[in-house]
Amino acid sequence: GENVEQHPSTLSVQEGDSAVIKCTYSDSASNYFPWYKQELGKRPQLIIDIRSNVGEKKDQRIAVTLNKTAKHFSLHITETQPEDSAVYFCAKSGGSYIPTFGRGTSLIVHP
Amino acid sequence: SAVISQKPSRDICQRGTSLTIQCQVDSQVTMMFWYRQQPGQSLTLIATANQGSEATYESGFVIDKFPISRPNLTFSTLTVSNMSPEDSSIYLCSTRQGDQPQHFGDGTRLSIL
Repeated sequence: GENVEQHPSTLSVQEGDSAVIKCTYSDSASNYFPWYKQELGKRPQLIIDIRSNVGEKKDQRIAVTLNKTAKHFSLHITETQPEDSAVYFCAKSGGSYIPTFGRGTSLIVHP
Repeated sequence: SAVISQKPSRDICQRGTSLTIQCQVDSQVTMMFWYRQQPGQSLTLIATANQGSEATYESGFVIDKFPISRPNLTFSTLTVSNMSPEDSSIYLCSTRQGDQPQHFGDGTRLSIL
């Protein structure tokens, strides 16, 4: 599929602050947008996802927003904790169900 | 979600040899994917393996180098052939059932001497 741009590549915050990671895409066929968290040496794990018929989805301290018109979606983490430190990947897919991943964001939460 | 067992978890191989990585899923899934992940990098799709058809390879990956089998809906193998140090990486198996979320195995950490 076409690329998905992810920013920033590195994000450093203090414990308790919020963190926002943004991804943009260009094709209109994408309709599913998951976010994965990968801790060092471990598998990527799905933390939240959103489909194109929804604008926002929340799960405790994590939320994802989608702007289909502007073709961007964002991950929001509130009240960050040191255990949130990891690499986060956004992804997108459409009718083929084959996902395209962003380059990843290394989130560092300082105690 | 599907439980994905991948083995070996790691291996150290001599250049010129081949290694087959196995991926076993605890439920039937339509799509299985094989990814390569270099340290500090994103996930690069090698190929999509659907049961009953030939694997579909992404640009830069060829069947002779990365032959894939998908004999049934719960199992797949990826072989890394004629290995060189550039093949040192983490190889990840992943599954997706229709429009349900994609899940990953623990990966195989491969080092080539």
